[in-house]
Order: sequence, then C-alpha cells, then structure tokens
Amino acid sequence: GAGVSQSPSNKVTEKGKDVELRCDPISGHTALYWYRQRLGQGLEFLIYFQGNSAPDKSGLPSDRFSAERTGESVSTLTIQRTQQEDSAVYLCASSLLQGNTIYFGEGSWLTVV
Amino acid sequence: AQSVTQLGSHVSVSEGALVLLRCNYSSSVPPYLFWYVQYPNQGLQLLLKYTTGATLVKGINGFEAEFKKSETSFHLTKPSAHMSDAAEYFCAVSDLNTDKLIFGTGTRLQVFP
Repeated sequence: GAGVSQSPSNKVTEKGKDVELRCDPISGHTALYWYRQRLGQGLEFLIYFQGNSAPDKSGLPSDRFSAERTGESVSTLTIQRTQQEDSAVYLCASSLLQGNTIYFGEGSWLTVV
Repeated sequence: AQSVTQLGSHVSVSEGALVLLRCNYSSSVPPYLFWYVQYPNQGLQLLLKYTTGATLVKGINGFEAEFKKSETSFHLTKPSAHMSDAAEYFCAVSDLNTDKLIFGTGTRLQVFP
C-alpha cells in the first residue's frame, strides 16, 4: 500500500480483556514505531524497531504491553488485561533511514469500558 | 536524554495574522528537528524538518521554521494565518544516534475570522 496501514481503526473492549493492534508499514521501511496519544495529550513513545537490531522498548508503560515485528514487515502491539487508562489512539509510524521523514498511520482508537 | 518543550498548549490568532508556535529542545548531540501537524480527525503529517545545512527550513502550506542552536529553538512561523491552519502542531526531535522521535505535548492553533 501507499501508506502506513493500521487495524482495527476502532476497538471497544472490556476491562481485563487482551487486545492486539496491527501495523503494516510502508514497504521497504526498516524503522517502525509505536506511539500512544491520550485524548487531548501529546504523543507518547512506546517502542521502536530498526532492522534486525534489538527493539527499543524503553517507552512501554508496563509489562502488560508488548510488541513484535516480523522482519521488516508487519508489527503487532499487544495489550494484556486492558485497563481504562489504556484508552487512547495507538499510532504506528515507519521510516526508511535515520533522519528521514517518519510517516504515520491513521491510528487505532482503543476504548476500554 | 532528548526532550522537547512547546510553550503554549493553545494559541489563537486572527485570520491574516502572524502565526508563531514555539519549540525548544534539549539534545546532547546535533539534533534532527521536525514539525508535524494533525488536522481534526486525521493522522499526523510532516510540515517540515531540519537535519543539516540551511537553518531556515520551508515547509508545506507556507510554514517555515528556523533552527537556532544558540537558543536551542525551532519555532514555527507563518506570515499570514488561514482558517484552514487550525490544527494541533507537534514539534519533535531525534538525532544521529537514534531514530526515536520524541514529541512535544503539542500546541492547538485556533484561527478566528
């Protein structure tokens, strides 16, 4: 596809359930990022993948959060035992090289009820 | 560690007036600096970026920003605001050592007729 694709675009889940969010980066982009944006707030860095290097997980807020990436393609962000404070837009982005433009997907809106 | 400070969570201007959105950064190495815009109910898109070279950077929609190392600033300006400029603007920083993009908390720009 032409851009970063995320699914689902909207997800409503019950507190305590697990959710999986998917990101398809732009083809050929080696770097992939996950960010979280709570309502009315800025972007919070979660995790970063670059090629075959170990991912930078320094932004993951708790051990309920994890992410995987298959090679230089799809990534999934998993939130276990969701809490209401997990409600946010989860944004995925990708880029080609260091210093290059980072392209964002439309985001996955997660609501935990 | 890198950080970004955006002064003013809300800025209001009249149509035709100068737009000035402030951004200061902290980085121990030469930074890469970005401005992203988020229109209502849309994803983030790049306005402009500074990596190396000319310190005055021109972006889309008539916006520009100047990298001032002595002031550790990268303020965003536009000579004449348009109603369509109403959006959330995010300043971000990365550097040669990391692709991780750190965002400011954002500034919401309102444009009044």
